[in-house]
Amino acid sequence: EVQLVESGGVVVQPGGSLRLSCAASGFTFGDYSMHWVRHAPGKGLEWVSLISWDDKSAYYADSVKGRFNISRDNSKNSLYLEMKSLRIEDTALYYCVKGDRAGLMDVWGQGTTVTVSS
Amino acid sequence: DVVMTQTPLSLSVTPGQPASISCKSSQSLLHSDGKTYLYWYLQKPGQSPQLLIYELSSRFSGVPDRFSGSGSATDFTLKFSRVEAEDVGVYYCMQGIHLPYTFGQGTNLEIK
Repeated sequence: EVQLVESGGVVVQPGGSLRLSCAASGFTFGDYSMHWVRHAPGKGLEWVSLISWDDKSAYYADSVKGRFNISRDNSKNSLYLEMKSLRIEDTALYYCVKGDRAGLMDVWGQGTTVTVSS
Repeated sequence: DVVMTQTPLSLSVTPGQPASISCKSSQSLLHSDGKTYLYWYLQKPGQSPQLLIYELSSRFSGVPDRFSGSGSATDFTLKFSRVEAEDVGVYYCMQGIHLPYTFGQGTNLEIK
């Protein structure tokens, strides 16, 4: 069964840092691009970041560029999101998502909750 | 960034009736390869989002044929031939050709 399991979401103060992880199983992780998508309370979905299958390319939403860093370890079937200088508006449920070509996102994790609050 | 605009934002439909959701993009989503990189996702209550339609009109695996996607380079429609109770949730269009990818605001479908 294809599965994505996120972890690392906690309550953090504004300006703080956090690292989210995503453990993948049931597919050849290193063959696929991966995304992070978030869902803030009372708002819609927001695409956050994309990393290519080979870790050579990474892209970010304007709202997180310069503060978040996406990475992966294909030997560990794992995806990461390093988050710095966190803001209250970063509070959201963060989904790890398996990508295919372009914007096709076909497998979603259950999400991990990040709360930025003083 | 490409702006995706959905209408309506809320939809109430009687089971068995047809329905549709519109989505417009501020830039063309038509690629030189001939494909239009427009996707539809559904988030059912309490669940993670799921892919319904990819590349404008292709139904993802397991998606019922009562769902169909169509449109042009900038105007798109998700159609329900007949709405069923299990279709309740929030529907999002998303463009996947221009980075950063962007979603529409979402359309909340409820059943009468």
